Amino acid sequence: AQKITQTQPGMFVQEKEAVTLDCTYDTSDPSYGLFWYKQPSSGEMIFLIYQGSYDQQNATEGRYSLNFQKARKSANLVISASQLGDSAMYFCAMREGNFGNEKLTFGTGTRLTIIP
Amino acid sequence: EPEVTQTPSHQVTQMGQEVILRCVPISNHLYFYWYRQILGQKVEFLVSFYNNEISEKSEIFDDQFSVERPDGSNFTLKIRSTKLEDSAMYFCASTQSDRGYGYTFGSGTRLTVV
Repeated sequence: AQKITQTQPGMFVQEKEAVTLDCTYDTSDPSYGLFWYKQPSSGEMIFLIYQGSYDQQNATEGRYSLNFQKARKSANLVISASQLGDSAMYFCAMREGNFGNEKLTFGTGTRLTIIP
Repeated sequence: EPEVTQTPSHQVTQMGQEVILRCVPISNHLYFYWYRQILGQKVEFLVSFYNNEISEKSEIFDDQFSVERPDGSNFTLKIRSTKLEDSAMYFCASTQSDRGYGYTFGSGTRLTVV
C-alpha cells in the first residue's frame, strides 16, 4: 500500500485564487511528521511547511497552510492568493522511523499550473 | 539561511565509470541522507547516515553505492560502476537531532549516464 497518496497529477488554477493540493497518508507510527515541498522546473526541493502528528494546531507559513485532519489521515496543502511563481511540482512527504533516522517517503506529486 | 550545498550541479558520465557526488550539509546537523529522483518520478530514499555509519539503506542502495564522510564537512555518494538506469537527480539532505524542522535538501546533482 502507498504510504503517501497524491491523487491530483495536475491542476490548473486562475491567478489569485486559492488552491488545495490533496495528500493522504498511511502509518501505524503514532509519532510522525508531514512535509510539503515545492519543486520548480529548475529541480531543487524547496521546503514549504511541516506538521507534526502531535501538533495541536494546523501549521501555517505565510501563504501556505496545512489542513491536517488526523482521523482522516489527510494533510492537504492550501495556497492562498496563488501567484504565477507558484507553478511547480508539489510533493507531500512523511517522516517515520526511529529518532534521528528520519527518512522521508514521498508521494508522486501534483503539477500545479497557475493561469494568468 | 544555512544551506546544503551539492556539487556538481550536473554530471555526465560514461556507463561503467565511477562517479562521486559531493555534499556539504549544514554545519550543526548530525543526520545525513541521499535521495534519488528519476526524471518525472517521485523522490526515493537511498540511505541515511549518522555517527559515521549507515543507519538505514533502501533496496536501491546496492553494492554499487557507498557513502562516506571523509572529513568534518563533506558527505559523498559514490557509484562504483554507473548504469544507464542510474541517470537521475540525486539530492543530499541533512537534519538536526530534533524531529521535524531542519530537514533541508540541497539543490541536487543531475547525473546523466551515457
